[in-house]
Amino acid sequence: QVQLVQSGAEVKKPGASVKVSCKASGYTFTSFGISWVRQAPGQGLEWMGWISTYKGNRNYAQKFQGRVSMTIDTSTSTAYMELRSLRSDDTAVYYCARDKVGTTVTVFDSWGQGSLVTVSS
Amino acid sequence: DIQMTQSPSTLSASVGDRVTITCRASQRISSWLAWYQQKPGKAPKLLIYKASSLESGVPSTFSGSGSGTEFTLTISSLQPDDFATYYCQQYSSSSPTFGQGTKVEIK
Repeated sequence: QVQLVQSGAEVKKPGASVKVSCKASGYTFTSFGISWVRQAPGQGLEWMGWISTYKGNRNYAQKFQGRVSMTIDTSTSTAYMELRSLRSDDTAVYYCARDKVGTTVTVFDSWGQGSLVTVSS
Repeated sequence: DIQMTQSPSTLSASVGDRVTITCRASQRISSWLAWYQQKPGKAPKLLIYKASSLESGVPSTFSGSGSGTEFTLTISSLQPDDFATYYCQQYSSSSPTFGQGTKVEIK
C-alpha cells in the first residue's frame, strides 16, 4: 500500500533551518508529484509547494519563495523540504502529500504522518 | 491567490443527521475542487475531487456538488466516525488554497 513516512519532530531556534524528509513506498515514486502542506497549531492547512518527482521541476507558494527548497532523491524514493530563516510563526506540523496526478499540482491522495517543527528561543 | 471561504465554521449535529457544508471561491474554479476530512492529530484524508468524484474507499454517504464559485459537501446520514474537521481545496490555479475548515461536532 502507498505509504509516506516522515522524519521526526524538530526543535529549532529562530533564524535556523530545518530539513524534513518523506520516504515513499508502495508505488512508483516518479509517477506522482509531492506537495508539502503545513498546519500551525489549531489552524488550517497551508500549501507550501510542489515538486515533480519525474523532472524535478518545482512550484513554490509565493509566501515561501526564497526561503524554501524542495528536493528529491529518486534512488531512495525520498522527498525533502528545507525551510530557512525560521521564525516562531513557522511552528507547525509539516506534511508531505502525494499528488493524485504526476504532471502538476492537483489534489492529495496520500499523506505522511506529519513532522512537528517547533521554533523557539 | 484564490480565496476559499467555508461556512459554517462549526456545525453541531446528531448521528443520522443530513449535514451540508458550503465552500465559496473568490473566482470561478470550474470543478477543480476537493474535500478532505481531518481528525485530531491525524493527516487529512481525501474524500472528494473534481467537485463530485468520490475517492476510492470513501463511503457513499459523502457526496459533493457545485461548479464555478459555489460548492457543497453533503453527508447524507452522519455516522459517529464522521465527527471531524472538513476542508475544501481549490486546484484551479498553480497555487492550491484551502478553506479555513468546518468542524462537525456532536450535538
